[in-house]
Amino acid sequence: SAVISQKPSRDICQRGTSLTIQCQVDSQVTMMFWYRQQPGQSLTLIATANQGSEATYESGFVIDKFPISRPNLTFSTLTVSNMSPEDSSIYLCSVEDKKNEQYFGPGTRLTVT
Amino acid sequence: AQSVTQPDIHITVSEGASLELRCNYSYGATPYLFWYVQSPGQGLQLLLKYFSGDTLVQGIKGFEAEFKRSQSSFNLRKPSVHWSDAAEYFCAVAPSGGYNKLIFGAGTRLAVHP
Repeated sequence: SAVISQKPSRDICQRGTSLTIQCQVDSQVTMMFWYRQQPGQSLTLIATANQGSEATYESGFVIDKFPISRPNLTFSTLTVSNMSPEDSSIYLCSVEDKKNEQYFGPGTRLTVT
Repeated sequence: AQSVTQPDIHITVSEGASLELRCNYSYGATPYLFWYVQSPGQGLQLLLKYFSGDTLVQGIKGFEAEFKRSQSSFNLRKPSVHWSDAAEYFCAVAPSGGYNKLIFGAGTRLAVHP
């Protein structure tokens, strides 16, 4: 299985600011995904990021709020823009391997004050 | 619309007892089915998956799950629970074929009494 790391592991940010979360994979993957897990909730897909193309966003998520970069096959970033307390969540990236299995990073715990 | 239902929000079992966590899905065709576990402060770990074939699948940590098409269910089982199994368990589905956008259930939090 792929080994995935995320930076930062946690952060406390002020409202109105932006935070960029990095996701690094130890192998080349086509599909990378970004999920949000709000406190006490399940996971919700934000967007799918393919290398070389624009990310595909799910209903309720927009590029202006959650811009994503995917510069190569092992790296992606998610930015949470103009943050509000409602953005306090765990943000997780995942990758899909050739066996159609998804593996998740450890997550970034974001608190917005 | 695709959806996943985990009817039990919390379950408490005694160590050594058997366990069954329920999962029902709503989808036109047979999707890919997954169970993940999230321990406190940890990321998600894939326990097992079902794509096709034998409807009883074995996973890691002694877990198994059975796919029942007639009931649109994919329940997770373990014959003897260990204290270290205390965690949150998520059932997830993805459309078969193409990229796997996962739809997660609400999760079941498992507590284990000594």
